[in-house]
Amino acid sequence: GNSVTQMEGPVTLSEEAFLTINCTYTATGYPSLFWYVQYPGEGLQLLLKATKADDKGSNKGFEATYRKETTSFHLEKGSVQVSDSAVYFCALSDWGSQGNLIFGKGTKLSVKP
Amino acid sequence: SAVISQKPSRDICQRGTSLTIQCQVDSQVTMMFWYRQQPGQSLTLIATANQGSEATYESGFVIDKFPISRPNLTFSTLTVSNMSPEDSSIYLCSVSQTPGTGELFFGEGSRLTVL
Repeated sequence: GNSVTQMEGPVTLSEEAFLTINCTYTATGYPSLFWYVQYPGEGLQLLLKATKADDKGSNKGFEATYRKETTSFHLEKGSVQVSDSAVYFCALSDWGSQGNLIFGKGTKLSVKP
Repeated sequence: SAVISQKPSRDICQRGTSLTIQCQVDSQVTMMFWYRQQPGQSLTLIATANQGSEATYESGFVIDKFPISRPNLTFSTLTVSNMSPEDSSIYLCSVSQTPGTGELFFGEGSRLTVL
């Protein structure tokens, strides 16, 4: 079945460091791919998405490229800020369940000043 | 976007009891989803709740254990029945305003601890 695997956390970085959170997926067909973020005390919210191969999603300085050949959707940011501290979830669409998303386990990011 | 309020935000419950979680949305939505996030695990879909029809449960989840109500387009409840410590989880309500896009809005979750 469809699944998402993302790197284990927690990840601790200094401010302005480069961030990569790896995400790979297994899916039949051509799913859409998503990164969701959960800031402390808040609900999950969509960070970015890509709907087809080679698409690049971007938002708030974060980017991720849909790589069909490597079944990956790695999240990157060139210079993280303390305010980026959150839990990041990679997800893919599973349209067999009326729009259900399949999530990775989440990666907790802590950015130190 | 949609703003989702869940109650309670957290609770400590005794084994064998039941607890109902409420989900209120600030706009009318057709599709609502209930997820569970067990400690150290990813989010798992429990069921899809559409107004005017029975909830659709995912494999491993049954209506007797997780009854769901969806009385209108802005509200839903999930009951966790006859709780055991294995039910200790975060339960999340989410909605789709644009079905087919995969863009979901989530509540803050309800963290249940069963003793």
